[in-house]
Amino acid sequence: AQSVSQHNHHVILSEAASLELGCNYSYGGTVNLFWYVQYPGQHLQLLLKYFSGDPLVKGIKGFEAEFIKSKFSFNLRKPSVQWSDTAEYFCAVTSSSNTGKLIFGQGTTLQVKP
Amino acid sequence: GAGVSQSPSNKVTEKGKDVELRCDPISGHTALYWYRQSLGQGLEFLIYFQGNSAPDKSGLPSDRFSAERTGGSVSTLTIQRTQQEDSAVYLCASSSGLAGGAETQYFGPGTRLLVL
Repeated sequence: AQSVSQHNHHVILSEAASLELGCNYSYGGTVNLFWYVQYPGQHLQLLLKYFSGDPLVKGIKGFEAEFIKSKFSFNLRKPSVQWSDTAEYFCAVTSSSNTGKLIFGQGTTLQVKP
Repeated sequence: GAGVSQSPSNKVTEKGKDVELRCDPISGHTALYWYRQSLGQGLEFLIYFQGNSAPDKSGLPSDRFSAERTGGSVSTLTIQRTQQEDSAVYLCASSSGLAGGAETQYFGPGTRLLVL
């Protein structure tokens, strides 16, 4: 069965620090990869996604992620975080064989200290 | 409407009672998904509707859970004989259904269910 693993459950950073959140998936076929974010009191929204082409994808608010097929990874990065990035981040995957349903990782809570 | 809407936003019920949760997807979206977000289990897929195709019910945790989608639009998730472990936030999402799983899913605000 497909699964997604996020290595960091709770991350605390100071403003301007660099961020990298790990995400690995288990599936040998063609996948689509997503990062969703949930800001406090708000609903889930898409941060960025990869489905084909350039493995380095850029999303909203300065976030980017790199798909490394050989490592089954899709890590999220931001060079300089802001207090407003405090949120919960979810990595997710769909594939051509799972009808488009998202399989989510456990989520990473990011707390940015001003 | 501009986004996915869900009602009620909060629901408190007694163990053993039935509950119905409603989702209004984005107009024109043919795909509709239900997920559950709970502390112990994270975000779990429940059920998926795509147009007139038979729904994918593979994520429903028990036969107490069912869902329907009327007229290809509004969906209702029903939980019969609720149990305390059903307490969670139930999320609905919709998408265009056109990109074979690569399209963005747009989430609603969720219904927070508490079973006493």
